Amino acid sequence: QKEVEQNSGPLSVPEGAIASLNCTYSDRVSQSFFWYRQYSGKSPELIMSIYSNGDKEDGRFTAQLNKASQYVSLLIRDSQPSDSATYLCAVKVNFNKFYFGSGTKLNVKP
Amino acid sequence: DAGITQSPRHKVTETGTPVTLRCHQTENHRYMYWYRQDPGHGLRLIHYSYGVKDTDKGEVSDGYSVSRSKTEDFLLTLESATSSQTSVYFCAIGTSGVNEQYFGPGTRLTVT
Repeated sequence: QKEVEQNSGPLSVPEGAIASLNCTYSDRVSQSFFWYRQYSGKSPELIMSIYSNGDKEDGRFTAQLNKASQYVSLLIRDSQPSDSATYLCAVKVNFNKFYFGSGTKLNVKP
Repeated sequence: DAGITQSPRHKVTETGTPVTLRCHQTENHRYMYWYRQDPGHGLRLIHYSYGVKDTDKGEVSDGYSVSRSKTEDFLLTLESATSSQTSVYFCAIGTSGVNEQYFGPGTRLTVT
């Protein structure tokens, strides 16, 4: 079983809709959780981090964490075509090791 | 790219040859990481460093070695390149005790 699981997609949403991206992880001692955005041919870019249960909002992005269910999600409100990218979920499992999911490709259609 | 450069950006090499990739940072961050990214596998940690001369293995370290003689430079060496090491390699940096990582632009390596 992989440490971090994501649906590879593609997830297609119309412009202006809410995109919901999901991630599950296997290690119960995971400490911190991250969402990265990666455009094709580019490097990953950190967009959200979350450390405690609940929701964390930053602009159009909301990260949600449920440690009991080992589940983290990213909501993108008012999706724009420029949001079309691959979204990587990452988990920090000990002092300084990170595991990444394989990513979910998001397509936002005008 | 948060003051991180990687060189070379593209390389084609033959099976069995040694290859060294360089990561250079201007941020004076303590932690540096090497990842490879392959379709269907996402980013996988190869090695990381938590200080000068302090390194440790990641989940896919076989066939790779690293060195860090200065805070700003982290080298990844493929002692004898194989076709299975064809990939995109990303370097990342992180601060002490902090969780976020910032990635370099990547190196696309092709082993023929």
